[in-house]
Amino acid sequence: AQSVTQLGSHVSVSEGALVLLRCNYSSSVPPYLFWYVQYPNQGLQLLLKYTSAATLVKGINGFEAEFKKSETSFHLTKPSAHMSDAAEYFCVVSEIGGYNKLIFGAGTRLAVHP
Amino acid sequence: AAGVIQSPRHLIKEKRETATLKCYPIPRHDTVYWYQQGPGQDPQFLISFYEKMQSDKGSIPDRFSAQQFSDYHSELNMSSLELGDSALYFCASSRDYRTGKEDTQYFGPGTRLTVL
Repeated sequence: AQSVTQLGSHVSVSEGALVLLRCNYSSSVPPYLFWYVQYPNQGLQLLLKYTSAATLVKGINGFEAEFKKSETSFHLTKPSAHMSDAAEYFCVVSEIGGYNKLIFGAGTRLAVHP
Repeated sequence: AAGVIQSPRHLIKEKRETATLKCYPIPRHDTVYWYQQGPGQDPQFLISFYEKMQSDKGSIPDRFSAQQFSDYHSELNMSSLELGDSALYFCASSRDYRTGKEDTQYFGPGTRLTVL
């Protein structure tokens, strides 16, 4: 069964600092991987997705993630945090050739301090 | 661009009542997914439909049922509501997943169900 593990349920950074949210996946075949963001009391917004075209994926709002098969990781980064980045971030996996259901990680709540 | 529409946005019910949640997918999307997000938890897959047929089923209670209609909108029917059903229910839509290519799921704003 596929799964994702997000390391750190809470991450706190200062405004302007590097953001690093960690995600490791478990899959028998290379999966499709996503990062979704959920702002308080809002729905889920797609940040970026990996579908095997390129290992470094750029998303919206300056975020990017790198797929590393050898480490089974898909960490999310942003060079400089902004106050508006404060939200819950979910690493998500979807099985190739399956029915496309998404399996979510437990989420990481990012806090950004001035 | 048009997004996924869910109604109602908020719903308050008593225990043992029934509730119906509606989802209108993005135009030309033929696949609909339902997820449940409990307080402080990650979303859990409930059920999905493609071309009005159930395509996959997750941890959906037997008290819940769902269907997709000819216009591709979907409804999640919940009966004998329990306190533990209080959650945010998301609907997502995508194009045909059967091509073997990933097709991104776009989420609606969710329906917040509170069971008293």
